[in-house]
Amino acid sequence: AQSVTQLDSHVSVSEGTPVLLRCNYSSSYSPSLFWYVQHPNKGLQLLLKYTSAATLVKGINGFEAEFKKSETSFHLTKPSAHMSDAAEYFCVVTGPHTGGFKTIFGAGTRLFVKA
Amino acid sequence: DAGVIQSPRHEVTEMGQEVTLRCKPISGHNSLFWYRQTMMRGLELLIYFNNNVPIDDSGMPEDRFSAKMPNASFSTLKIQPSEPRDSAVYFCASRPNRDNTIYFGEGSWLTVV
Repeated sequence: AQSVTQLDSHVSVSEGTPVLLRCNYSSSYSPSLFWYVQHPNKGLQLLLKYTSAATLVKGINGFEAEFKKSETSFHLTKPSAHMSDAAEYFCVVTGPHTGGFKTIFGAGTRLFVKA
Repeated sequence: DAGVIQSPRHEVTEMGQEVTLRCKPISGHNSLFWYRQTMMRGLELLIYFNNNVPIDDSGMPEDRFSAKMPNASFSTLKIQPSEPRDSAVYFCASRPNRDNTIYFGEGSWLTVV
């Protein structure tokens, strides 16, 4: 079975300060993990993905995430927030692509960026 | 490359009317998904096709909803008759067989009054 928990429903940061969006997962198999971003009135855009290669994954717009198996975490970070980062972020888990696993979406974390 | 294309982007309809949402997946992608997003329930998977065949429709709310995929480049989601509680954003997404990354369309914003 697989599950994903985003630990914060809302995160507020000031522009120029670091961003941390937390995600814990549970998986009986070697997981694939993703972060998606959804800006207002837009679809979900892939930020980055982990598929058992390097544990530190770099994505678009300066975001990165680290896969920590011992902590079952895949937290999303960015060194310096920009106003354009204000959006909703979804952590996603699935299994290996050949296994027909379901894709499980987290409930989302809304990021607010203050000027 | 063109992404997942959905139409219409916005639709306002009266209760009882039929609504048809359309989707063109990314060329070469073998899997297609329909999701619904609301404030109350978040993102829900409605139905999943693989190679044009419905694999999992357990998320389809009721008989008023139906989905088809007549060929690899086109899918529809139909609601008949529509009700105000169907108001939501409906996303179509596709995935290639070579990996498990899902690519989303921009969504169809449905309002039923």
